[in-house]
Amino acid sequence: QLQLQESGPGLVKPSQTLSLTCTVSGGSMSSDSYCWSWIRLPAGKGLEWIGHIYTSGNTNDNLSLKSRVSMSIDTSKNQFSLRLSSVTAADTAVYYCARCYDFWSGHCDYWGQGTLVTVSS
Amino acid sequence: DTQMTQSPSSLSASVGDRVTITCRASQSITSYLNWYQQKPGKAPKLLIYAASSVQSGVPSRFSGSGSGTDFTLTISSLQPEDFATYYCQQGYSPPFTFGPGTKVDVK
Repeated sequence: QLQLQESGPGLVKPSQTLSLTCTVSGGSMSSDSYCWSWIRLPAGKGLEWIGHIYTSGNTNDNLSLKSRVSMSIDTSKNQFSLRLSSVTAADTAVYYCARCYDFWSGHCDYWGQGTLVTVSS
Repeated sequence: DTQMTQSPSSLSASVGDRVTITCRASQSITSYLNWYQQKPGKAPKLLIYAASSVQSGVPSRFSGSGSGTDFTLTISSLQPEDFATYYCQQGYSPPFTFGPGTKVDVK
């Protein structure tokens, strides 16, 4: 059974960079059938798609985040990572990592439990 | 970007009710539409993908339909464990936007 687990600081100061890592266990990340995604849920709001990365290292991200997003992947460690720069209080959210299909309708079938990141001084 | 809307934003229902949630895309997304269920403090759970394919392990009371811009999620007979928030998501073109959600609570 595939499992994903987010890790990283729960508190980040405004203007700094949020960094999260997702560790995948119970399976391999090397298949080209999937992309590895980040999604967040701000308190009182709906889900927001942040972006995804392929095993090739290619990425797509949400331009509404104004190019503050960078992602990386290390299949040898079964990990992928998110960096979000110049954070503000609006970036406070529960952040999820997920495995999503790179075909069909891009649906995400395995998710991490989520990690709360608060942006505050 | 493709904008997703859902209606209603919330609804109150009783166990055994038939529940229908609608999702609309701002442009055609063919059948690249997914539905998720989320409960407080939990990760979203995939229910339906490609508009009408039921994810393995999801009860048969959940069904999806639609294509182009208009889609529907139906719960044929609401069960106690179905009280949650439901989101649609388009997987046609990045960013893979979600709808704002529909909260189903107890009448």
